Formats: sequence, C-alpha cells, structure tokens
Amino acid sequence: DGGITQSPKYLFRKEGQNVTLSCEQNLNHDAMYWYRQDPGQGLRLIYYSQIVNDFQKGDIAEGYSVSREKKESFPLTVTSAQKNPTAFYLCASSMGLKGEKLFFGSGTQLSVL
Amino acid sequence: DAKTTQPPSMDCAEGRAANLPCNHSTISGNEYVYWYRQIHSQGPQYIIHGLKNNETNEMASLIITEDRKSSTLILPHATLRDTAVYYCIVRIRGETSGSRLTFGEGTQLTVNP
Repeated sequence: DGGITQSPKYLFRKEGQNVTLSCEQNLNHDAMYWYRQDPGQGLRLIYYSQIVNDFQKGDIAEGYSVSREKKESFPLTVTSAQKNPTAFYLCASSMGLKGEKLFFGSGTQLSVL
Repeated sequence: DAKTTQPPSMDCAEGRAANLPCNHSTISGNEYVYWYRQIHSQGPQYIIHGLKNNETNEMASLIITEDRKSSTLILPHATLRDTAVYYCIVRIRGETSGSRLTFGEGTQLTVNP
C-alpha cells in the first residue's frame, strides 16, 4: 500500500544532541513537508520541499535542518540550537505544491531527557 | 488566507448525524473550504473540500451557505471512530498547499455510545 512512513514513533533527545527524524513516501509525490504540533495546538510548518535537492523554510525553521537527496525521502534534523524541541512532528506529502490534498504520516513524538 | 472560527468541542450520539460548523466571514471569491480531521496522536486526514456548491463523498457532506461566510461538515451516521479534532481551513486553490495550510485548533468531536 502507498503511504508515508515516519520513524521512530517515539524519540528521546539529550541536551545538546542532534536527532534525525525519518520520513519516507512511496506515493511518487513531488512535494514534502514537515510540521510541528504542540499539545492542544494546530500544526506549524517547519520546512517544505518541492523537488529533489531543493527546500524552503516554513514559519518556524530555526533550530531545524532538512535534506532532499531522494524524491522518496525528506529527513528532519532537530539540532541542539532548537531549545524547546519537545513536540509531535508530522511529515506530509502532496502531488505538488498546488495539490489539494496533503497526505500525512503517523508522526514522531520527540521528548527531551 | 481567510480566518476560520470553529467551536472548541462538540458531542454527538453514535449513529446520529454530526454537524460541525465553521465561520469564514472574510472568505474571498477564489478561496476554497477544506476539512481535515486528526485522530489522537495520528496525522491529519483529508475529508472534503468545496468552493460554493455542496459536496459529498464517501466520508462526509459539505454544506456551504449561499454567501459563503460559513459552512457545515456533516458526518451522516457518526461512529465512535469519528471521534477526532476536525479542522476547517480556507485556502486559495492553486497556491502552495503546504505552506499556506494553517490548521488552527479545530473542533474536538466526541462521539458517545
């Protein structure tokens, strides 16, 4: 079945450590996105990518980095510069930046030890 | 994008219709109304979208008022699995879908047995 796979489901980060969240899709979608969700809040856009080797900052990119070396993959690194990383992270994809529907992964819960 | 207003929570009895309202009084003529839902600790799921005509699919119906300032999402026979946060979003079709999708806090629908 086609879909978006995020891993791991739960992740713990120590102070000063970088961690990478995985996002893989087999929907042949061009566009991919990373959102952050805090408890009781809506989704905020971190980064998005329209094509391989290209990506743009969203509304809250500080302290995060991404890469898009393959169409299927869009990993997110939460760096030590992100001082409040505890949140639920969601990856999504769409046919293109003008597609109507976003397809979401099941999310990664990141917590700081 | 136009701002939307939704009630924070609603209850519905299992098997009955769930009617979720959304106000978007500042909507412009080329802005579409989209609905997504998010079951706890999962990624949001696309439900339906429309411009001015009523829309129906296998999941729900969307009723948009003639002046387009409000809409109602209808789940005709709610089940316990429909318990989720429902997001109403207004967006210009054709714009960058991910970067402009502002989810807000939505309506927590609880379906009771």
